[in-house]
Amino acid sequence: GAVVSQHPSRVICKSGTSVKIECRSLDFQATTMFWYRQFPKQSLMLMATSNEGSKATYEQGVEKDKFLINHASLTLSTLTVTSAHPEDSSFYICSARDLYADTQYFGPGTRLTVL
Amino acid sequence: QKEVEQNSGPLSVPEGAIASLNCTYSDRGSQSFFWYRQYSGKSPELIMFIYSNGDKEDGRFTAQLNKASQYVSLLIRDSQPSDSATYLCAVKPGGYNKLIFGAGTRLAVHP
Repeated sequence: GAVVSQHPSRVICKSGTSVKIECRSLDFQATTMFWYRQFPKQSLMLMATSNEGSKATYEQGVEKDKFLINHASLTLSTLTVTSAHPEDSSFYICSARDLYADTQYFGPGTRLTVL
Repeated sequence: QKEVEQNSGPLSVPEGAIASLNCTYSDRGSQSFFWYRQYSGKSPELIMFIYSNGDKEDGRFTAQLNKASQYVSLLIRDSQPSDSATYLCAVKPGGYNKLIFGAGTRLAVHP
């Protein structure tokens, strides 16, 4: 089956630092990847759509300068949370779209805690 | 505004029973429909997808789609305690590259 990995799975950082999260599609090529955020007991919230070789498309209300997305290859997208603050603490999940199957597969998620 | 509606639950069923999860969507041009399962603290996992009207079966799971009524459902036969999770319905509206998710239905299967 389609496998998507994320690294790191868990990160704790100090307020003001930047954190980079990697998302990889391991056995298929993904021209499109998606980044979600989920707070405890709440729904998935789409943050942005990442297209290989072009700029990401951000959802309304998501600060593009704070959440930097790079999709440099067909198997890798990165999300950088810049100048993180405690309110950025959340569960960040990526998904990758398998173009041929037209389905999305999720990575295992990254739990970010900002102190 | 593209919307996907689900009953938040919890839906409580006894072990061995059939669990029926329902979802309605607003965009009549939607073409692709998905069910994901999410355990507490974990990321969503794809269970099934369906594109055509009718039923699609995979093991204990059956997805049902009725485009005229804009309704998609998931049946889980012989429910097990391990099926206890939140089930997310997702729809890909026509012309969209992204999925629209419902808020999810929490299923509790009790022994």
